[in-house]
Amino acid sequence: SQQGEEDPQALSIQEGENATMNCSYKTSINNLQWYRQNSGRGLVHLILIRSNEREKHSGRLRVTLDTSKKSSSLLITASRAADTASYFCATDAGNSGYALNFGKGTSLLVTP
Amino acid sequence: GAVVSQHPSWVICKSGTSVKIECRSLDFQATTMFWYRQFPKQSLMLMATSNEGSKATYEQGVEKDKFLINHASLTLSTLTVTSAHPEDSSFYICSASGQRRDTQYFGPGTRLTVL
Repeated sequence: SQQGEEDPQALSIQEGENATMNCSYKTSINNLQWYRQNSGRGLVHLILIRSNEREKHSGRLRVTLDTSKKSSSLLITASRAADTASYFCATDAGNSGYALNFGKGTSLLVTP
Repeated sequence: GAVVSQHPSWVICKSGTSVKIECRSLDFQATTMFWYRQFPKQSLMLMATSNEGSKATYEQGVEKDKFLINHASLTLSTLTVTSAHPEDSSFYICSASGQRRDTQYFGPGTRLTVL
């Protein structure tokens, strides 16, 4: 069942600006992952953060996790037009063969 | 490494026909494969989880007789949409995990259009 909820649903910014997306979930998790999907394409794995981690960086990406609030955020710094895509958070509770529960996604548009 | 392919990438079929979608792990052994469905502008919904050599576990609301899943080997899983109807039109995505069960590698997806 779907448990992640992204906020905002859509975000439009200009190149060079930072983009912040939030994700909330309902049940306990083992880890939380962020994925990117270009229109009509497959998923690209961005970053995984475990339940005992609070922050993780990868290039221009910064992910935070607050298990007390059951929320995570994805920050993309110095955005580029090529960052235009949909971004999904996915949680893994580890009790269903590690299947992922995806949030509804944030559609990011970065304009030149 | 860790590449997952899907075939076909898109398919158009007539209502009532069956369509088979293949999911292959190209450079690793996938002990578990997952099938997801995504409707336009919506998120991915898990349909079923399959482990090599055993029956798939279907999510609530997914008809196992309509969506037949076969995970016959450690590198191949197939999803057959039987007696397809227009409401089955969707983007079907598979993923596979190997020894590191918390990491899934996604295929590029198959777009199914049922006329």
